[in-house]
Amino acid sequence: GAVVSQHPSWVICKSGTSVKIECRSLDFQATTMFWYRQFPKQSLMLMATSNEGSKATYEQGVEKDKFLINHASLTLSTLTVTSAHPEDSSFYICSAIGPLAGASTDTQYFGPGTRLTVL
Amino acid sequence: GEDVEQSLFLSVREGDSSVINCTYTDSSSTYLYWYKQEPGAGLQLLTYIFSNMDMKQDQRLTVLLNKKDKHLSLRIADTQTGDSAIYFCASGRYNQGGKLIFGQGTELSVKP
Repeated sequence: GAVVSQHPSWVICKSGTSVKIECRSLDFQATTMFWYRQFPKQSLMLMATSNEGSKATYEQGVEKDKFLINHASLTLSTLTVTSAHPEDSSFYICSAIGPLAGASTDTQYFGPGTRLTVL
Repeated sequence: GEDVEQSLFLSVREGDSSVINCTYTDSSSTYLYWYKQEPGAGLQLLTYIFSNMDMKQDQRLTVLLNKKDKHLSLRIADTQTGDSAIYFCASGRYNQGGKLIFGQGTELSVKP
């Protein structure tokens, strides 16, 4: 259980175009999902918290007009990188909050990531 | 803000035990987690420990928690080449919307 998928797994686009990445919780409902960015050999950088039915909360320094987040259902959040540029090339990972087995709390379950390359 | 620190690299021989260490600053952490990331993949939840526990064992994995020193370790017994990956330590508080604070990750290299 607690499986999260991401689509696409990799994408190459031209500078100036927009790219949409989907994050789905497959066997549980998630009112909260997170979007991270990861540079090579580095830790995860939290970009934003996506809440179903409300506006996303962005971390300091993340442009909300550039990274549009929509959490339209309890199993789907999308991240759209608008007017992408080469510096946006990165590995984007989402996570969804789900029940932690054997505990009275939740934890994050991660998708497999999306490799974005902007030419 | 709160922080989680890990050493960046660890190299062991196949069959040896690996010990990955982590320190955290949030004294209100309720749960501490270990995630594994293989190349080009997302993070996989390996195990977790409550802050009121000292030790947790799960097959080849042993987690030790020293709450006084805010030190967490993950021991992998009989390390295999398939265990080569980056291991992330993370701390979280109960009912904080699921937000976690991650360490930088420890790259474990297992040599045959």
